[in-house]
Amino acid sequence: NAGVMQNPRHLVRRRGQEARLRCSPMKGHSHVYWYRQLPEEGLKFMVYLQKENIIDESGMPKERFSAEFPKEGPSILRIQQVVRGDSAAYFCASSPGGPLGTQYFGPGTRLLVL
Amino acid sequence: TQLLEQSPQFLSIQEGENLTVYCNSSSVFSSLQWYRQEPGEGPVLLVTVVTGGEVKKLKRLTFQFGDARKDSSLHITAAQPGDTGLYLCAVSAQKLVFGQGTRLTINP
Repeated sequence: NAGVMQNPRHLVRRRGQEARLRCSPMKGHSHVYWYRQLPEEGLKFMVYLQKENIIDESGMPKERFSAEFPKEGPSILRIQQVVRGDSAAYFCASSPGGPLGTQYFGPGTRLLVL
Repeated sequence: TQLLEQSPQFLSIQEGENLTVYCNSSSVFSSLQWYRQEPGEGPVLLVTVVTGGEVKKLKRLTFQFGDARKDSSLHITAAQPGDTGLYLCAVSAQKLVFGQGTRLTINP
């Protein structure tokens, strides 16, 4: 029973490029969450999605960031026109029910913007 | 202002010593979770505490939820190098809110 999968594990982008981070939830999980972790800090919530719907995006920056969780395929976190401050570890979590249940985390994607 | 304040932020001790780390808030929570995150990996849930005053043990780790459900502590007995990692407390509303973590290093 595979856990939450994220790819790529490491991503290097130059300023102005686009970054696409993918997350495949655990089998049977229809709720996906994205978190960002800056160096030496805890995780900060970004967005909560349930198949094809964004439920809570209160932690998403207003510009350049978007997320989707299509009916088929992984959830995607997209960062357009990346800047150095976007360098961080991005974690995806999934749960079978809503956010009050246990969330299972993936290994993260480490984004480095040069 | 952080909802959850964890202390200490960094802790480095020798193998075999005991330690306690703390997670404090001025807010009351219905439950609180502790995670451990190893380098290059995502957080892994260790325990959820629900009742004020509750104590849960996980081998050499003892977790306590404060009577008023505003704070929690994690005590490790006879620490081992394998306990090294980032320990995060978190509370769940519509989303998980994490403290900034305690980075623990156990030296052999």
